[in-house]
Amino acid sequence: GAGVSQSPSNKVTEKGKDVELRCDPISGHTALYWYRQRLGQGLEFLIYFQGNSAPDKSGLPSDRFSAERTGESVSTLTIQRTQQEDSAVYLCASSFTGDRGEQFFGPGTRLTVL
Amino acid sequence: AQKVTQAQTEISVVEKEDVTLDCVYETRDTTYYLFWYKQPPSGELVFLIRRNSFDEQNEISGRYSWNFQKSTSSFNFTITASQVVDSAVYFCALTRDSTGTASKLTFGTGTRLQVTL
Repeated sequence: GAGVSQSPSNKVTEKGKDVELRCDPISGHTALYWYRQRLGQGLEFLIYFQGNSAPDKSGLPSDRFSAERTGESVSTLTIQRTQQEDSAVYLCASSFTGDRGEQFFGPGTRLTVL
Repeated sequence: AQKVTQAQTEISVVEKEDVTLDCVYETRDTTYYLFWYKQPPSGELVFLIRRNSFDEQNEISGRYSWNFQKSTSSFNFTITASQVVDSAVYFCALTRDSTGTASKLTFGTGTRLQVTL
């Protein structure tokens, strides 16, 4: 009965470096979402995957951000050439498709760009 | 476009006081879902409630209650007899009715609730 897991829990990187954040959704969940939460802010939608459909990338802030998902399992969010404004907590969530939006969230990865 | 507004940035109350967290939303969808999530200091989002746009009945769960008023596009959350463990950031969120498809959540900026002894 594992929930959504994310790794690493914390990541400190230097400006200009690339980072990869990983999300393991709940087994059987067909939809997977990435959100970003800047300090003291609400969650901003980044991207979601649903089965074999094309992902909704409408929330990605720039072309430095990309994400992949292998089948209905693991997803990786990649940020290239990180900037200080990328510092945030990146949250992953998963759900059954069409489950009326009830998403289960992971603990997040706190990214700090120096 | 969808929008959720939580005008109260931070609220401080003394334990046992009642407190209401406001949420106002905007959407062009005729059917949608509203949510409240709790984010304690540990950081993990905890689901509290989901409400369908067709169901305007108020809901009570223990010390928690929710008042959904479609006429004013509001979905307010009341904690009765607050406790220190209620201290957290509370988020209101909105999604369109997504039967058969996934749908992103639009979040408000959150209200930080501090309950002191």
